[in-house]
Amino acid sequence: EAGVTQFPSHSVIEKGQTVTLRCDPISGHDNLYWYRRVMGKEIKFLLHFVKESKQDESGMPNNRFLAERTGGTYSTLKVQPAELEDSGVYFCASSPTEGRNTEAFFGQGTRLTVV
Amino acid sequence: GNSVTQMEGPVTLSEEAFLTINCTYTATGYPSLFWYVQYPGEGLQLLLKATKADDKGSNKGFEATYRKETTSFHLEKGSVQVSDSAVYFCARVMNTGFQKLVFGTGTRLLVSP
Repeated sequence: EAGVTQFPSHSVIEKGQTVTLRCDPISGHDNLYWYRRVMGKEIKFLLHFVKESKQDESGMPNNRFLAERTGGTYSTLKVQPAELEDSGVYFCASSPTEGRNTEAFFGQGTRLTVV
Repeated sequence: GNSVTQMEGPVTLSEEAFLTINCTYTATGYPSLFWYVQYPGEGLQLLLKATKADDKGSNKGFEATYRKETTSFHLEKGSVQVSDSAVYFCARVMNTGFQKLVFGTGTRLLVSP
């Protein structure tokens, strides 16, 4: 079974450009999460989808970030326009159901560099 | 509070040395606790977890015990290998449930032959 996959693995863009990150969760997982690790700091929660609905987007840094999950399958995270401080590694994770014994499975991450 | 604090790295050890990476958390109640590992060039992988106080999680020779008295979840391994070189993240579930996680800053472990 395929794990969580993210695309691209690396992206280098100029300040002011737009970038779209994609995450394909494990098939059948209703929950999808986005996280970000900036400059070697802690990994921070960005938002959480349950199927196609945003259950919690409290971690989104500002309105330059837009996440979608049309159809409740894959998700995209768009940054427009990108700023230097957006550089970091963006992780996606998915989990099947709520509960104490469920586990979130992570992708390899997308390393975004804004120059 | 809703945070996880872990020791700064890098931690540099020789092969077969004993490893401890400290982790403490703040929480209301008793959230599930985790250690994730990121090997070079790979994504985050769950290493071990504990879902209630006094539980011990273990995997690949690593262990961590959920200590509610000290709000700690220190990671230990009796004899590290070069292949254990990675970044280790301590994490807890947010109070709001699901598997939304609060992570520590990560600790890089470097094991030399």
